[in-house]
Amino acid sequence: DIQLTQSPSFLSASVGDRVTITCRASQGISSYLAWYQQKPGKAPKLLIYAASTLQSGVPSRFSGSRSGTEFTLTISSLQPEDFATYYCQQLSNYPFTFGQGTRLEIK
Amino acid sequence: EVQLVESGGGLVQPGGSLKLSCAASGFTFSGSAIHWVRQASGKGLEWLGLIRSKGYNYATGYVSSVKGRFTISRDDSKKTAYLQMNSLKTEDTAVYYCTTTTGWGQGTLVTVSS
Repeated sequence: DIQLTQSPSFLSASVGDRVTITCRASQGISSYLAWYQQKPGKAPKLLIYAASTLQSGVPSRFSGSRSGTEFTLTISSLQPEDFATYYCQQLSNYPFTFGQGTRLEIK
Repeated sequence: EVQLVESGGGLVQPGGSLKLSCAASGFTFSGSAIHWVRQASGKGLEWLGLIRSKGYNYATGYVSSVKGRFTISRDDSKKTAYLQMNSLKTEDTAVYYCTTTTGWGQGTLVTVSS
């Protein structure tokens, strides 16, 4: 199975900060990676697919990039509604594994 | 807009069975793959499996922890996907979601306990 390792697992930041979350795949997955945001008690929400394509309706402060097997999710200027848990998922090989999550909290 | 509604969750004893449903609207269900994902309380997301569309011969894929116990199916005429869960274990207790990846249901809680 392909392992996805997110870092950091926990992040404390302030409104207006620029933050980056990293997801490293244990083997090549091309650009078959998605990013999700999940708030407590809610279903996940797709933010980015194909590593860098912004899902319709998602604010442009969210962006994704890829370098080899390392993927990053960047939030350019944190807003209060962005404090949540973020997951990456690979859609290259079964099983379509998720990263362990990054919890983003208000400093 | 993709809308998915799960149902069928509840309390079941270890070793028992349960069948979840996922009713879809707002998109071309027959052409879409449907995934099932679960989340135990306070834990991360676990992908369970998917069923592809008729164009892919309704191919399925599963994570090893549920292979042979869980079966995903679909009825395109009803715009509904299903997750049949057999030989349930206490560690299967979780909220179960169906998703197209772009849209997610609200989840249904499955509790496996005696």
